[in-house]
This record gives sequence, C-alpha cells and structure tokens, in this order.
Amino acid sequence: GEDVEQSLFLSVREGDSSVINCTYTDSSSTYLYWYKQEPGAGLQLLTYIFSNMDMKQDQRLTVLLNKKDKHLSLRIADTQTGDSAIYFCAESYSGAGSYQLTFGKGTKLSVIP
Amino acid sequence: DTAVSQTPKYLVTQMGNDKSIKCEQNLGHDTMYWYKQDSKKFLKIMFSYNNKELIINETVPNRFSPKSPDKAHLNLHINSLELGDSAVYFCASSRRTSDEQFFGPGTRLTVL
Repeated sequence: GEDVEQSLFLSVREGDSSVINCTYTDSSSTYLYWYKQEPGAGLQLLTYIFSNMDMKQDQRLTVLLNKKDKHLSLRIADTQTGDSAIYFCAESYSGAGSYQLTFGKGTKLSVIP
Repeated sequence: DTAVSQTPKYLVTQMGNDKSIKCEQNLGHDTMYWYKQDSKKFLKIMFSYNNKELIINETVPNRFSPKSPDKAHLNLHINSLELGDSAVYFCASSRRTSDEQFFGPGTRLTVL
C-alpha cells in the first residue's frame, strides 16, 4: 500500500529558511501536494508538483521532487511567525477506478521570533 | 462566499447517540470527500463521492453513512457513537477526482 512519511517537528528562527521533508512509496503518484493547517483551521493547499517535474517555485515556496528516491521537500524562504502551522505532504493515488490522497502525519513548524 | 463549509464546527455528545455533520461546497465541484483527523493529527480518507455516487469507501465501520442529496452536499451520519469516534472530521471537494482538493474548516466531534 501507499505510505507517506514526514518528520513531526521543525523549529526555525524568524528570517531563516525552513525545509520540510517527505518520503512516499507509490511510484505511480501523479501529483504531490503540500497542505498547511493553521491552529484550529482547515487544510489549505499551499502548492503542488506534477510527478514529471523536479522543481517548482512559487514566491517564498520551493518544492523539490526527487522521483528516484521518492523524496519531496518544501522550502520556505525568509520564514515568518505566520508560517507557524502543521504542514502535510500528500500523494495522489489512483487505483481500482478511484482516486484519493494519502497524507503524511504532518510536520509542526514552530517559528521562533 | 465560503467555498467549503461544514456544520457544526463543534459537536459534543454522549456515547450511543446518533449525529450528523453537514458539508456544502459552492465551487461547482463534482467530487466531495470526508476525512478523519485523529488526536495525533493523522488524516485518513473515509469516503469520496463523485456526482453523488460513492467511489471510495475505506475501511470505516458501517455506523458511518455518507449521504449526498446533490453534488453540492455530502453529509456524514454516525450511528451509535463511540469514544473512539472523537476526532476532527474534514470535508473536502475537488473539481474532478484528479484535481486538488479544497478543505472545509473541520468539525471537532467529542464523544463523552
């Protein structure tokens, strides 16, 4: 079956870069996603990358995908206190005519002022 | 102008009761989902409906029954609530099954 792994915690100083890592197992994944969950709130799609891409940049966010190693990372440049949240990596999975996302357990990012 | 809304936001109830959580999306999406987020923040899909038809039904007790009266709504009904049902339940929708999903704010269910 499919599985997505992330480290649970990350702490960085304001202004530094944050790098959140994720590994997945399903080599047939078509899209990989990063979702952000702020305290007490729902999940917000931050960015996604198609599986045939190596990198995607969107303002302060950079997503790197190493398909050979099944490794995905999210880099947040100039991390701000408002970036404190839980970040979920997710892979899309298609099988038996259905489609679903499998999420990692989330990485809690704490930004120290 | 909320995209995906859920009601109620908080639900506290006794073991053995039956309760429902409602979800509505005004994005015109064809596909809707229910996820359960447990106390360790782990998210797991429960159900998915596409054009009012069930397409994903993970290993969920049959006390949980989703109902989709139309494409914009996917309600979750839970019978005979148990302590282990306490969690945050998220509804989501996507334009098609392969598109990115937009999540509601979540419903925190506490079973006493």
